[in-house]
Amino acid sequence: GQQLNQSPQSMFIQEGEDVSMNCTSSSIFNTWLWYKQEPGEGPVLLIALYKAGELTSNGRLTAQFGITRKDSFLNISASIPSDVGIYFCAGDNYGQNFVFGPGTRLSVLP
Amino acid sequence: SAVISQKPSRDICQRGTSLTIQCQVDSQVTMMFWYRQQPGQSLTLIATANQGSEATYESGFVIDKFPISRPNLTFSTLTVSNMSPEDSSIYLCSVSGQGQNLTFGSGTRLTVV
Repeated sequence: GQQLNQSPQSMFIQEGEDVSMNCTSSSIFNTWLWYKQEPGEGPVLLIALYKAGELTSNGRLTAQFGITRKDSFLNISASIPSDVGIYFCAGDNYGQNFVFGPGTRLSVLP
Repeated sequence: SAVISQKPSRDICQRGTSLTIQCQVDSQVTMMFWYRQQPGQSLTLIATANQGSEATYESGFVIDKFPISRPNLTFSTLTVSNMSPEDSSIYLCSVSGQGQNLTFGSGTRLTVV
């Protein structure tokens, strides 16, 4: 079945640094979603992407839908301690169920 | 987006017993799903809850183990039957509407002892 890969698996950064993570697949998707999950909570949607090449921002977060439709990246600028969590990408192919990546665990050091 | 209430938020259960998890949405939604998140892992779809008919299960999940009900457009339940320690996970309800993305509840953290 469809699988997503996320990199890096985990990262430790200093507060104020920028963060970049990505998500790749061997399959084409028509929708990419990025979620953040904090301990004890369900995933919360950060950004949704619907078109190849689309670049979308949400505050300090920016995500892009790769032109091949097989990848997406998420950037976080000027990280702060509350950015800590696990970031999941998810892909959907024309109404079939969303597939989730394994996640990138982000730690922010003060 | 829809607001989802999931109960219980956590439970510790004896092996061999069953637990029913409830998912209540504050508005009518087209699609309701149940996911499992094993410790330190990503989210895996268990099934799509269909209103008024049997749920659609993903490969590796069966109705006898995870019976699901969806009596209307705002409510669903997932039962984890005959539990074993391997069933210890977070179980998440999620919903989507027309053209909407997946919204998740806060999950039920299940520990089987």
